[in-house]
Amino acid sequence: EVQLVESGGGLVQPGGSLRLSCAASGFTFSSYNMNWVRQSPGKGLEWVSYITSSTMYYADSVKGRFTMSRDNAKNSLYLQMNSLRDEDTAVYYCVRDRIGSFWGQGALVTVSS
Amino acid sequence: DIVMTQTPLSSPVTLGQPASISCRSSQSLVHSDGNTYLSWLHQRPGQPPRLLIYKISNRFSGVPDRFSGSGAGTDFTLKISRVEAEDVGVYYCMQVTQFPFTFGPGTKVDIK
Repeated sequence: EVQLVESGGGLVQPGGSLRLSCAASGFTFSSYNMNWVRQSPGKGLEWVSYITSSTMYYADSVKGRFTMSRDNAKNSLYLQMNSLRDEDTAVYYCVRDRIGSFWGQGALVTVSS
Repeated sequence: DIVMTQTPLSSPVTLGQPASISCRSSQSLVHSDGNTYLSWLHQRPGQPPRLLIYKISNRFSGVPDRFSGSGAGTDFTLKISRVEAEDVGVYYCMQVTQFPFTFGPGTKVDIK
C-alpha cells in the first residue's frame, strides 16, 4: 500500500523557517518524481514544487525561498521553507508523480505573529 | 501560466442522476511527447484530494466506472453517470503539461 506521511508542520512567525518531511512507503521511491502542493484554509489547490532525480521546479510564489530535496536512501522528500509569509499559511501535501496519483494527509503550516 | 477554469462552480445533483463538469485551459495541454496531461481530482471534506482520471480519460486504479473523462486540446469534461452519496465534495481539474502546474478553482458537488 502506497503511503505518504508528512511531518514538520506548525506555527511559525513571519520571516521564520520550517522544514517539512514526507516519508514514503509501499513503492520504489527513487523511481518516482514528486510534488509539493498546498491548500490555504478554505481555498483551492496550489502547486508548489516538483522534483525529478536531478531537477527541481518551483512556483514563482516560492522561488528563492523554498527548497525541495529528496533522500532516496531514506525514502524521504523534504521542503525547506525560509522567509515565510502570512500567505504561505496552508496545508502542504506530498504528492506522488506528475499525474498526482497519491496524496499524503497533509501538514498544516501556520505563519502568524 | 496556463489558467484553468471550471463550470459550474457549484452543482446540486440528485442521487442516481448524471452530473457533468467542464474544464477549460487557456492554452493547449498537448505536451511535446504527444500526451495531454489533464487530471481530475476529488476532495471530500476534511480529506486530501484523490486522483480520479489522468491524461484526459484514464481512470485511476480503484475508481468506479461511473466516472469518465473526455476532451482534447483546451476543453475537457468529467462525467458521473449516476451520482452516489459518496461523490459529494469538490472536483478539481489539474494540468501537468507545463510548469507551473495549475489547478481549476474547483466545482462543489452536493446532493439536492
